[in-house]
Amino acid sequence: DAGVTQSPTHLIKTRGQQVTLRCSPKSGHDTVSWYQQALGQGPQFIFQYYEEEERQRGNFPDRFSGHQFPNYSSELNVNALLLGDSALYLCASSLRTGDRPNEKLFFGSGTQLSVL
Amino acid sequence: AQSVTQLGSHVSVSEGALVLLRCNYSSSVPPYLFWYVQYPNQGLQLLLKYTSAATLVKGINGFEAEFKKSETSFHLTKPSAHMSDAAEYFCAVSDGTGGFKTIFGAGTRLFVKA
Repeated sequence: DAGVTQSPTHLIKTRGQQVTLRCSPKSGHDTVSWYQQALGQGPQFIFQYYEEEERQRGNFPDRFSGHQFPNYSSELNVNALLLGDSALYLCASSLRTGDRPNEKLFFGSGTQLSVL
Repeated sequence: AQSVTQLGSHVSVSEGALVLLRCNYSSSVPPYLFWYVQYPNQGLQLLLKYTSAATLVKGINGFEAEFKKSETSFHLTKPSAHMSDAAEYFCAVSDGTGGFKTIFGAGTRLFVKA
């Protein structure tokens, strides 16, 4: 049973460029959350997708956008990259159960983005 | 709004000693609380979770945590540290008021000395 897979594992971009990160959730999961983890800090919630719609969003600018596909996989897009966008981007999947909050997140190993 | 505060960015213990990692939360409703562990160059994995059942929660690798509503705390403990416990530990909260999202603390790095 494949867990959460993310690609690519590492990425180097320059300021002003755009980047797309990809995530395949754990088999059977329908919800994907994206987090940004700067060096030495905890994961910061970016947004969450369920049923191909953005359901919740953290305090991130509109430069951060996403998408969820019918097979539940997801993409995170970041436009006009800034030096401060350098971080580990983590994807987490879960199975939504009615109106209960996520009880358990399964994380991928992340994409390390470096902006030069 | 829900939030988590982890006291101490670094904790160092000797192998075989008690591990205590502190976490305090803020939530307007009964929360779900979690501890996750992150090893170098890896994602996070769940150690244990509290979901309003027993207040003392046992997790993997000998860890446990106690939910104390009066203190708004959810501290993580392990009676005897092992070298393999060296990692980053994150406390997290999810209470539904902010939607279906989990909010993480800043993390505590655990060092284990031989």
